[in-house]
Amino acid sequence: GAGVSQSPSNKVTEKGKDVELRCDPISGHTALYWYRQRLGQGLEFLIYFQGNSAPDKSGLPSDRFSAERTGESVSTLTIQRTQQEDSAVYLCASSWGSGHQETQYFGPGTRLLVL
Amino acid sequence: SQKIEQNSEALNIQEGKTATLTCNYTNYSPAYLQWYRQDPGRGPVFLLLIRENEKEKRKERLKVTFDTTLKQSLFHITASQPADSATYLCALINDYKLSFGAGTTVTVRA
Repeated sequence: GAGVSQSPSNKVTEKGKDVELRCDPISGHTALYWYRQRLGQGLEFLIYFQGNSAPDKSGLPSDRFSAERTGESVSTLTIQRTQQEDSAVYLCASSWGSGHQETQYFGPGTRLLVL
Repeated sequence: SQKIEQNSEALNIQEGKTATLTCNYTNYSPAYLQWYRQDPGRGPVFLLLIRENEKEKRKERLKVTFDTTLKQSLFHITASQPADSATYLCALINDYKLSFGAGTTVTVRA
């Protein structure tokens, strides 16, 4: 079946512009996660959705970052007034549930470059 | 502060040899630990999960150990093949949240 998909695959933007990154999770997966991966670094947790609600937004770096999820499906991560330090790969993952043993399935990521 | 450290150097090995990767952590008490593989331009792919009460887990040519006293996990790729070349990430699980190490890049020479 289809895996997690993300769009766009690459995004180049100018500093100060807003960007929207999209994630389509695996159908039926109730949990959805956003991570950020900077060059040479590990993945950083950003936000977690269970259904359409986000019980944990603790990883969002600043109030310029927001995310929503609709219909227990698609999620959008929005970065307002982008800064050069926002340049990274943004990865989305989904899982059936959110227990300790649930496997998270990752999308290919969106490579964001802020000039 | 919490830290997860993996081999800082990339690993270059000859085909057929065993690659051993290290994951050390501090200020965590994980009940579970996972290993992922990441190829260039792709998202991580789950390989193995090991529980705190499991000393060792195997899957085909992969073996993982988990020592909660040493706060360390070792990841072994036996009879390595060029197709095993990738970056390998360890991740600690806290409820739903994964905390990742920076990864170790393995290159297997034919």
